[in-house]
Amino acid sequence: DADVTQTPRNRITKTGKRIMLECSQTKGHDRMYWYRQDPGLGLRLIYYSFDVKDINKGEISDGYSVSRQAQAKFSLSLESAIPNQTALYFCATSDPRTSERGYNEQFFGPGTRLTVL
Amino acid sequence: DAKTTQPPSMDCAEGRAANLPCNHSTISGNEYVYWYRQIHSQGPQYIIHGLKNNETNEMASLIITEDRKSSTLILPHATLRDTAVYYCIVRAYTGTASKLTFGTGTRLQVTL
Repeated sequence: DADVTQTPRNRITKTGKRIMLECSQTKGHDRMYWYRQDPGLGLRLIYYSFDVKDINKGEISDGYSVSRQAQAKFSLSLESAIPNQTALYFCATSDPRTSERGYNEQFFGPGTRLTVL
Repeated sequence: DAKTTQPPSMDCAEGRAANLPCNHSTISGNEYVYWYRQIHSQGPQYIIHGLKNNETNEMASLIITEDRKSSTLILPHATLRDTAVYYCIVRAYTGTASKLTFGTGTRLQVTL
């Protein structure tokens, strides 16, 4: 089983709809992240969380919200989806306490492809 | 975080070494060089990282110049499965944050 899972893997929705993307991890990591990737571009950080009570905005948080329901779960919501939120969304985890490769080793999920019509 | 510059694309013949360069002329003394790769819309995968000494693991080698202003990721015997976008990231080794900044990377095409 994958350590970091994302659901759904693909989603098509209409403008104005509320959408939730979910991320679960079995790695026991305390830090979780949401990124988006647009075609031909690198990943951009939306939100990140260092533990259940900690939520931080990334570089492109407008139009998004998150919820850290438990250490293992981090959800991303689009309250009112718009077409320019069409992108590939990745969840990631990390844990500097356990990583032998440094604080910046992150483990990524398989991604969710979201299309907003 | 220091900014990095990578060529947009490179080709490499299968079985040959792939040498991917990265410039990071504004790197600070406490910043590490990290390399990730992303295979066809999958989640990025950690490859290697280093501070100033050359590093090698089962996936690749990392050569960092003495002035630390540039580095090269080396895949010693590239295979078709190494076709991917490779990201060079410079980041402080800090316990307070682990935010990675991905640029556009280098698209490596390995051919027969």
